Amino acid sequence: AQSVTQPDIHITVSEGASLELRCNYSYGATPYLFWYVQSPGQGLQLLLKYFSGDTLVQGIKGFEAEFKRSQSSFNLRKPSVHWSDAAEYFCAVGFSGGADGLTFGKGTHLIIQP
Amino acid sequence: DAGVTQSPTHLIKTRGQQVTLRCSPISGHKSVSWYQQVLGQGPQFIFQYYEKEERGRGNFPDRFSARQFPNYSSELNVNALLLGDSALYLCASSPGTGWNSPLHFGNGTRLTVT
Repeated sequence: AQSVTQPDIHITVSEGASLELRCNYSYGATPYLFWYVQSPGQGLQLLLKYFSGDTLVQGIKGFEAEFKRSQSSFNLRKPSVHWSDAAEYFCAVGFSGGADGLTFGKGTHLIIQP
Repeated sequence: DAGVTQSPTHLIKTRGQQVTLRCSPISGHKSVSWYQQVLGQGPQFIFQYYEKEERGRGNFPDRFSARQFPNYSSELNVNALLLGDSALYLCASSPGTGWNSPLHFGNGTRLTVT
């Protein structure tokens, strides 16, 4: 069965510092890959997605992610974080057809230090 | 444009009771999906409906059911509530069923079972 692993439950970063959130997936083929962000009491907002083509994808709010097939990874990055980036971040994978829904990781809680 | 709207926002029920959660998709979206998010975990897929038909179902017991109406709104029903059903229930809509149409999530319904 497919699975998504986000190895870091919590990450603390100073404001203005760079950020990398890790995501690994287990699946026989290249899945559709997504990063979502969830602020307290809110639903999920799509940051970016990867389907095919260029392995470096740009998203909203200055985020980017790189797909590495050899490592089955899809890590999220941001060059300089802002206090408003504090939130829960979820990596998710979807499979052809979409009828099985998205499989989410357990999330990484991002804390921004002043 | 209005996003995905869910009602109610919060709900408290007693074990053994039944609950109905409602979702209105973004205008023009024909697919609605439901996810359960237990505290501290990533969302877990429950159902997908498209054009009023069930297109996918996650690993949830038969106590969970859903339907989609001609206006594409949807209801999620849970019977014989258990304490473990306490969670944030998220509805998401998309124009179609493939992942080229990413999901747009509502803010969820927080269900507490006592």
